[in-house]
Amino acid sequence: AQSVTQPDIHITVSEGASLELRCNYSYGATPYLFWYVQSPGQGLQLLLKYFSGDTLVQGIKGFEAEFKRSQSSFNLRKPSVHWSDAAEYFCAVGTSKAAGNKLTFGGGTRVLVKP
Amino acid sequence: DTGVSQNPRHKITKRGQNVTFRCDPISEHNRLYWYRQTLGQGPEFLTYFQNEAQLEKSRLLSDRFSAERPKGSFSTLEIQRTEQGDSAMYLCASTLAGSSYNEQFFGPGTRLTVL
Repeated sequence: AQSVTQPDIHITVSEGASLELRCNYSYGATPYLFWYVQSPGQGLQLLLKYFSGDTLVQGIKGFEAEFKRSQSSFNLRKPSVHWSDAAEYFCAVGTSKAAGNKLTFGGGTRVLVKP
Repeated sequence: DTGVSQNPRHKITKRGQNVTFRCDPISEHNRLYWYRQTLGQGPEFLTYFQNEAQLEKSRLLSDRFSAERPKGSFSTLEIQRTEQGDSAMYLCASTLAGSSYNEQFFGPGTRLTVL
């Protein structure tokens, strides 16, 4: 069965500083990988996704992520954080289409932004 | 179309009562998912539908839970004889399942509190 680990429960970063959120996954086949963001009281918004091809993927709001198969990782980065980036971030792995494209999420990383 | 909608947004009930939640997916989406998110955790898959057919149920979905999607459009999730452990955010997502892998779009969720 697939699983996702986000080692950092909380991260505090100063506004304007860079941000990196870690994600490790376990999945027996080609992974479909996602990063979602959830603001308080809101649903999940997709930041970016990786299916195949270029291992560095660009997303919305200035985020990018790099897929490293050898490390089973899909870390999320942003060069300069804005106060509005304070939220909870979830990494997820999706099963194949035949298995229903179900998502398995990590436990999330809460990002706090200091002024 | 403004996206996936869920009603009610909040529900407070007493232990032992029955509750029902509704999800309206994006209109052309043929696949609908239910997830549950407890405080401080990532969402966990509960069940999904392809049109009106319920194709998979997680072991998390006890006999007290039932989900339907009678006409392949909106879906309902009913919990009978609620328990305090059912307190969570219930998220609905939809997608158009086709030849390629498509992202899931999430609704804002229904927050259930069982007293």
